[in-house]
Amino acid sequence: AQTVTQSQPEMSVQEAETVTLSCTYDTSESNYYLFWYKQPPSRQMILVIRQEAYKQQNATENRFSVNFQKAAKSFSLKISDSQLGDTAMYFCAFILSQGGSEKLVFGKGTKLTVNP
Amino acid sequence: ETGVTQTPRHLVMGMTNKKSLKCEQHLGHNAMYWYKQSAKKPLELMFVYNFKEQTENNSVPSRFSPECPNSSHLFLHLHTLQPEDSALYLCASSQEASGGSDTQYFGPGTRLTVL
Repeated sequence: AQTVTQSQPEMSVQEAETVTLSCTYDTSESNYYLFWYKQPPSRQMILVIRQEAYKQQNATENRFSVNFQKAAKSFSLKISDSQLGDTAMYFCAFILSQGGSEKLVFGKGTKLTVNP
Repeated sequence: ETGVTQTPRHLVMGMTNKKSLKCEQHLGHNAMYWYKQSAKKPLELMFVYNFKEQTENNSVPSRFSPECPNSSHLFLHLHTLQPEDSALYLCASSQEASGGSDTQYFGPGTRLTVL
């Protein structure tokens, strides 16, 4: 079964500090894509960062970076210099491409609160 | 945030009602998706349409009936729902639904309550 596990239901961090959200996944596929999505309170889900599994280099988007450990099937998200606007639910997900169709598999999410 | 729109934003319906959710994307994409987001559970993919053809039905009960008249519009027709169907229903779109490389863009969702 293809699953995504986010072991931290809730986390909090002080403004300007760094926080890391963990994610592990399970798949037998070798080619897939990994994503972190952010869902602010009462707002739309938006993509934070993505990683191609065949790339060894960790993806970075401004203050957001990932630590991708393919052998360990781990895909953590690091947020540097946390801002109040980073308060949101964060979902880890990976996408499988099978037989001309694709399926995005999500974790349960981590609720991150950035405190002033 | 206006690339994918959903209406209505909130819907309350009885178990015997028939209603429809609407999704529209303005991004020129060819793939559209319905997801169900329930409390304490991961997002569940329901349906995938690629170039107006349904390519995925994730064992969804027949009381949910999708319709994709063109690549820009996606509907979810609801009838004889159960209280456990109450959830946030999210629509998403991407360039195509194959290859796995295309980012999905989400709408704001419809908060559905079934009484």
